[in-house]
Amino acid sequence: GAVVSQHPSWVICKSGTSVKIECRSLDFQATTMFWYRQFPKQSLMLMATSNEGSKATYEQGVEKDKFLINHASLTLSTLTVTSAHPEDSSFYICSAREGLVGTEAFFGQGTRLTVV
Amino acid sequence: AQSVTQPDIHITVSEGASLELRCNYSYGATPYLFWYVQSPGQGLQLLLKYFSGDTLVQGIKGFEAEFKRSQSSFNLRKPSVHWSDAAEYFCAVGPMEYGNKLVFGAGTILRVKS
Repeated sequence: GAVVSQHPSWVICKSGTSVKIECRSLDFQATTMFWYRQFPKQSLMLMATSNEGSKATYEQGVEKDKFLINHASLTLSTLTVTSAHPEDSSFYICSAREGLVGTEAFFGQGTRLTVV
Repeated sequence: AQSVTQPDIHITVSEGASLELRCNYSYGATPYLFWYVQSPGQGLQLLLKYFSGDTLVQGIKGFEAEFKRSQSSFNLRKPSVHWSDAAEYFCAVGPMEYGNKLVFGAGTILRVKS
């Protein structure tokens, strides 16, 4: 199957700083990438959908200015958590799809963010 | 509104016993259905998916799932559980149109006792 790589796997940052998480499709071109957030003992919640070369579509309740998403190429999307606070600590997972309706979305291994 | 319900938060089964994880969905149209497995601290691995056709789908690691439209269910089964199957399992539903963002259930944690 296709491989999606997320980096870093874990990160600890100080409150008020920004953190960038990368999501790369290693062996296919990802037309669409999705960013999810998972709180402890809870399910994944979709944060935003990004299509290459266009602005991301954010889900209701997700702050666009806080969670900046860039999908500048067909193999890379980035999520930047700006001015991070302890409540932003979570597990962030991306997934990437090659394109058409019904095709499988492959998930990255996730990034554990801890804001202290 | 789209939703996925996994009624069991935790399930414990003995190694070698059969397993069934329940999933019910609410969706306005014919959905795509998925089961994923997540080991601690890891991303998600797709076990199987249903798009159309035969309502009994086979997946990896010996798992299968049956789509029952009348019951809005997509239960995951395995005839004989192995200790390595201990993980968290998520059922998800997605639309057929372009976009295909997924709505996940809350997950079921499977514990396997020897």
